[in-house]
Amino acid sequence: EVQLLESGGGLIQPGGSLRLSCAASRFTFGSYAMTWVRQAPGKGLDWVSSISGRGDNTYYADSVKGRFTISRDNSKNTLYLQMNSLRVEDTGVYFCAKGHRASTSSYSDYWGQGTLVLVSS
Amino acid sequence: DIVMTQSPDSLAVSLGERATINCKSSQSVLYSSNNKNYLAWYQQKPGQPPKLLIYWASTRESGVPDRFSGSGSGTDFTLTINSLQAEDVAVYFCQQYYITPLTFGGGTKVEIK
Repeated sequence: EVQLLESGGGLIQPGGSLRLSCAASRFTFGSYAMTWVRQAPGKGLDWVSSISGRGDNTYYADSVKGRFTISRDNSKNTLYLQMNSLRVEDTGVYFCAKGHRASTSSYSDYWGQGTLVLVSS
Repeated sequence: DIVMTQSPDSLAVSLGERATINCKSSQSVLYSSNNKNYLAWYQQKPGQPPKLLIYWASTRESGVPDRFSGSGSGTDFTLTINSLQAEDVAVYFCQQYYITPLTFGGGTKVEIK
């Protein structure tokens, strides 16, 4: 069974930085797109960013463009999200999700349990 | 951006009855070259990550009970839960994966009447 394990969340002050990681296992990591989706407390799902299987295509929500960077290390089966200039509205649970194919036009067939990011002074 | 609008926001259904959730996209998510609708449905229970139920608008994910079905094409889609069970209490989201940003509907909360 596919496994996705997020880490790196925590309490951070506005303007600070965090790097989230998602360790993947039990599938050929580099063959699939990966996505970060966040969920503010009590709210819906908010797509943040996606990266293609080889890492050559990346896409961002307008709300995070220029502040967040998605990347992957296929040799380590790990997905990353570097988050800079964090804002209170970035607070939420961040899920990593596996795409069903290498292209970012993918539905997400497996999701991690999520990591909580709390941006507060 | 493609805006996904779900209705209703919530609904209460008796056990064994049918639940119907609608999802409308602001533009078509039907890709003409392969005649596929780039539309997925997810179920999220409290404290859990979303779970894929349906993709390509009507294909049930492996292991999903057959009381869940998806239909529709172009801009209008429906998720139907036949014979609602207690374990189906959850929030349901639609998502288009036709083009980035990969937008979600606002969610529909399903409860037992």
